[in-house]
Amino acid sequence: GAGVSQTPSNKVTEKGKYVELRCDPISGHTALYWYRQSLGQGPEFLIYFQGTGAADDSGLPNDRFFAVRPEGSVSTLKIQRTERGDSAVYLCASGQGLAGGNTQYFGPGTRLTVL
Amino acid sequence: GQQLNQSPQSMFIQEGEDVSMNCTSSSIFNTWLWYKQDPGEGPVLLIALYKAGELTSNGRLTAQFGITRKDSFLNISASIPSDVGIYFCAGQLRAAGNKLTFGGGTRVLVKP
Repeated sequence: GAGVSQTPSNKVTEKGKYVELRCDPISGHTALYWYRQSLGQGPEFLIYFQGTGAADDSGLPNDRFFAVRPEGSVSTLKIQRTERGDSAVYLCASGQGLAGGNTQYFGPGTRLTVL
Repeated sequence: GQQLNQSPQSMFIQEGEDVSMNCTSSSIFNTWLWYKQDPGEGPVLLIALYKAGELTSNGRLTAQFGITRKDSFLNISASIPSDVGIYFCAGQLRAAGNKLTFGGGTRVLVKP
């Protein structure tokens, strides 16, 4: 498809485990964003990539969270030593970057449940 | 983290009614956006506003970018059942890499 895809759609894990969440942006989009959405709230910014580099990671809550985008396309959000408070929907969005306009297109999200 | 102040938190609609929701911020934005999110889906962009004072329509939706650049409203006219869902406002700042700051959402429900 032509949209942003995220895998898995659902992930259930146990406290203390490591998880990886994947985002496939729209082809050609240079900007990629990760957001976290807790139940009943709006999404909150985590990290932004322009190309391969993390241009802004100020939203990552602590050092258990890390994200990479090694080839400037697919991105992986990694969470170490998961805690119950990490349970949320993790949304990825892509866009054409600062030069190409502001519109961000969202994927369907990965629902993470930490037991 | 910072979220915009969005109201009302929820509302009931009857088919054919007009509805309105708004969003305020303590800081200015270059762009205001309105998204709709259905269960199990990501937010979908409805309207984007790029200039203070701008009034933009998209079908039955009308939104305005406040003069102070710190607020916006969204109106839905002649509501229909598929308008049910959660609506989010979002502010965007070029100097901050265009990351989005979201409101808490307005949940639109059908009157029983």
